[in-house]
Amino acid sequence: AQTVTQSQPEMSVQEAETVTLSCTYDTSESDYYLFWYKQPPSRQMILVIRQEAYKQQNATENRFSVNFQKAAKSFSLKISDSQLGDAAMYFCAYRFLSSGSARQLTFGSGTQLTVLP
Amino acid sequence: ETGVTQTPRHLVMGMTNKKSLKCEQHLGHNAMYWYKQSAKKPLELMFVYNFKEQTENNSVPSRFSPECPNSSHLFLHLHTLQPEDSALYLCASSQADRQNSPLHFGNGTRLTVT
Repeated sequence: AQTVTQSQPEMSVQEAETVTLSCTYDTSESDYYLFWYKQPPSRQMILVIRQEAYKQQNATENRFSVNFQKAAKSFSLKISDSQLGDAAMYFCAYRFLSSGSARQLTFGSGTQLTVLP
Repeated sequence: ETGVTQTPRHLVMGMTNKKSLKCEQHLGHNAMYWYKQSAKKPLELMFVYNFKEQTENNSVPSRFSPECPNSSHLFLHLHTLQPEDSALYLCASSQADRQNSPLHFGNGTRLTVT
């Protein structure tokens, strides 16, 4: 079974600084997707960034980037130039490419990020 | 407009009540999901509907009963719940036949069972 581990329940960062959130996963699959979702106080889960396992290049979305280490099964999220609006719970998620047409996500337990002014 | 709308936003019910959670998606997706989010635990997948057919039931107790009348609507019928069922219930949708389609979530229903 696939598992996703986020070892940092809470993190804090000073506004305008950089922070890295850790995520590791366990799988025997070779093809899969990895995601970072953000859940602000509004409770809606918002997709931040995604990475296809077959791509060696790390995904980047504006101030958000990942460090994907497939051999180490590590998928960390780096937030540059942190803003107050980045404060939220961040979830790492894994999805394998099943033969079924609806694909499930396995989530980590989340990291609560606080941005200090 | 989030694309996925859940009602009610908050619900308090007694253990003998019957209530329903509603989810509607306006994204043209063909797969819908119910997740349970409890404090300090990973999101737990409860049910998956793919083209209106239930394809996944992750050992969810029968006091939770899903219904998917069409690809845009998803319900979760609740009856004789327990206090430990108190949680945030999240609905999501995706385009099932696109491999890289992410899940789009609603704002959830905060359920409290007294």
